[in-house]
Amino acid sequence: EAGVAQSPRYKIIEKRQSVAFWCNPISGHATLYWYQQILGQGPKLLIQFQNNGVVDDSQLPKDRFSAERLKGVDSTLKIQPAKLEDSAVYLCASSPPSTSGGSYEQYFGPGTRLTVT
Amino acid sequence: EDQVTQSPEALRLQEGESSSLNCSYTVSGLRGLFWYRQDPGKGPEFLFTLYSAGEEKEKERLKATLTKKESFLHITAPKPEDSATYLCAVLRAGNNRKLIWGLGTSLAVNP
Repeated sequence: EAGVAQSPRYKIIEKRQSVAFWCNPISGHATLYWYQQILGQGPKLLIQFQNNGVVDDSQLPKDRFSAERLKGVDSTLKIQPAKLEDSAVYLCASSPPSTSGGSYEQYFGPGTRLTVT
Repeated sequence: EDQVTQSPEALRLQEGESSSLNCSYTVSGLRGLFWYRQDPGKGPEFLFTLYSAGEEKEKERLKATLTKKESFLHITAPKPEDSATYLCAVLRAGNNRKLIWGLGTSLAVNP
C-alpha cells in the first residue's frame, strides 16, 4: 500500500513570497490533516478535512494560510505571504474511515521542510 | 486544560540497556493514546494505539502500556537503530479526531 505522498520535500523562499505544498493521502482515507512542526516540538494541527469539508481549522492563520481539498482526495496548503516564523516542516497525514471499533491512527507523509529567509 | 507531557526530554542508552519512556496526560475522556517514532527528516511513523487502562501492545523490542494517567514505552535491549524521537499523542472523546501531542523524547542508543 502506497503511503502519504508530499511534494516538494524542500523549499527555500524569501519572506513575503508565496509557496504551496501538495499532499496525496493513502487511498481510501477520508480524513486528511495538515500539521506544522517546528524543530523540537510536536506537530501542531493546522487544518483537518473530512472528505472535502473542513472539520477543524481553528489554528490555521487564515490571514496568510489557506488549504483546499478538492474532490476529497489531494490537498494543497498555501502560504501567502510567508513570514520568517513560518520556517518549519509541514506534514500531511491521513487516517482511515472509522469502524465500529474506532480506527483513529494517522499516517504521515515525509513532510516539506520550508525555510523562509 | 488537556495536556500531554513526555519525560525525559532526552535519553541516552548503551546498546542492550533497557529503559522506559513516560507519557502522562490529562484529558477529558480518553478515546485513545498513540505512540509514534520520528526519525530526523521524516514524518512520524505510527507504532501503537492503546484504548483502555491495562492494555499492552508489543512490537519487536518495544512494549507500550497504559494506565488511567500515563503510558509507558518500554524498550528492551535497544539497538542503535532504535535511536529516534518518540512522540505520544492522545485523542479525547468527541466528534473530531484532533490529537493532542507531547513534545517527544529524543532517544540515542550508543553501540
